[in-house]
Amino acid sequence: EAEVAQSPRYKITEKSQAVAFWCDPISGHATLYWYRQILGQGPELLVQFQDESVVDDSQLPKDRFSAERLKGVDSTLKIQPAELGDSAMYLCASRLTGSGTEAFFGQGTRLTVV
Amino acid sequence: RKEVEQDPGPFNVPEGATVAFNCTYSNSASQSFFWYRQDCRKEPKLLMSVYSSGNEDGRFTAQLNRASQYISLLIRDSKLSDSATYLCVVTSNTGNQFYFGTGTSLTVIP
Repeated sequence: EAEVAQSPRYKITEKSQAVAFWCDPISGHATLYWYRQILGQGPELLVQFQDESVVDDSQLPKDRFSAERLKGVDSTLKIQPAELGDSAMYLCASRLTGSGTEAFFGQGTRLTVV
Repeated sequence: RKEVEQDPGPFNVPEGATVAFNCTYSNSASQSFFWYRQDCRKEPKLLMSVYSSGNEDGRFTAQLNRASQYISLLIRDSKLSDSATYLCVVTSNTGNQFYFGTGTSLTVIP
């Protein structure tokens, strides 16, 4: 069964350092999402891509976060500099574009900033 | 105002019980609705889509009330394996943005 791949699974970094997460969506899925999930809360959308274009980054803290999907396939989310409050699970999801289609999630990257 | 509001629980129920979760949404033009299940420290996975006429999948029944802008999930004959967090998901009017509730925690007790 096709899966959304994410790496790394776990990341520990010191505050003020740079950190990057990678996501490879299910083949053929034009829509890709990055979510952040703090323990005990639901996922919050950070950025959404349609192919290589950003269609929604209104909740992305652009002073420190950046995301790209240069060839419209895999995507990278970067944080620089990391802050203690960035500790969370970062989830990538992809879906076929179209009404009613579900989003498939990767296993996530659990970030701990110390 | 949040796109989706959901009672976080927790719900602790005995095996065999029936339990219901609700959530409300703010955008009357929302296009699609889903329930996702998330096990501890795992990624969310689709439990079921929610259709206007209501739909059932085994012990699970989902309902949508567009007039009141809420969706519900009913679990009958609860099993220990149903213990998880249940997330309601509402899309934008285009269907492209997915908005998650905070999740409702369910623990089924032997």
